[in-house]
Amino acid sequence: DSGVTQTPKHLITATGQRVTLRCSPRSGDLSVYWYQQSLDQGLQFLIQYYNGEERAKGNILERFSAQQFPDLHSELNLSSLELGDSALYFCASSLSTPSSYGYTFGSGTRLTVV
Amino acid sequence: ELKVEQNPLFLSMQEGKNYTIYCNYSTTSDRLYWYRQDPGKSLESLFVLLSNGAVKQEGRLMASLDTKARLSTLHITAAVHDLSATYFCAVAYMDSNYQLIWGAGTKLIIKP
Repeated sequence: DSGVTQTPKHLITATGQRVTLRCSPRSGDLSVYWYQQSLDQGLQFLIQYYNGEERAKGNILERFSAQQFPDLHSELNLSSLELGDSALYFCASSLSTPSSYGYTFGSGTRLTVV
Repeated sequence: ELKVEQNPLFLSMQEGKNYTIYCNYSTTSDRLYWYRQDPGKSLESLFVLLSNGAVKQEGRLMASLDTKARLSTLHITAAVHDLSATYFCAVAYMDSNYQLIWGAGTKLIIKP
């Protein structure tokens, strides 16, 4: 157990629907990062939150949004889902800057859009 | 813009052989990380390299960092099947609040 908790582990939904992925960071970590990994692909950085505020944005679609709550858990909202959104979505956490241990990853949510 | 390039992207090798994965990056950084990912699984931290000349070893894997050459290597000694995985390097980008910039990953297949 890495200490980063992601739920749900698996999600199957239809095109056009909306889903919410949840992440609880490792205890003491203030930053949360969201990544998308399509089949046999690398990691695509989506967005970072630090202590409740958006810190950095990557290749995140307008149909996707995220937030970090006062208790530091984060949610990634995916709407108007398309088949191409099927992927593994990872959450990672770190202290303010990744120094001695980098990021700690959760086990991921596998999203299948049918 | 910081770019991180790994090579090779795919490597198939026999057990017992030695090989090296290379990670080149384009902008000054003194923090580099190696991760392992098994198919469909999460990413597991392998090594954290925080200074020029840093060398870390764990079992059959050894990682090193040359910040002057902007190069890190992950060396595999006497490979075994259990090391089959995808290996990612990531570089901390100082000008972007130490965001990690990721290489594309090296898919390593070790045949018995």
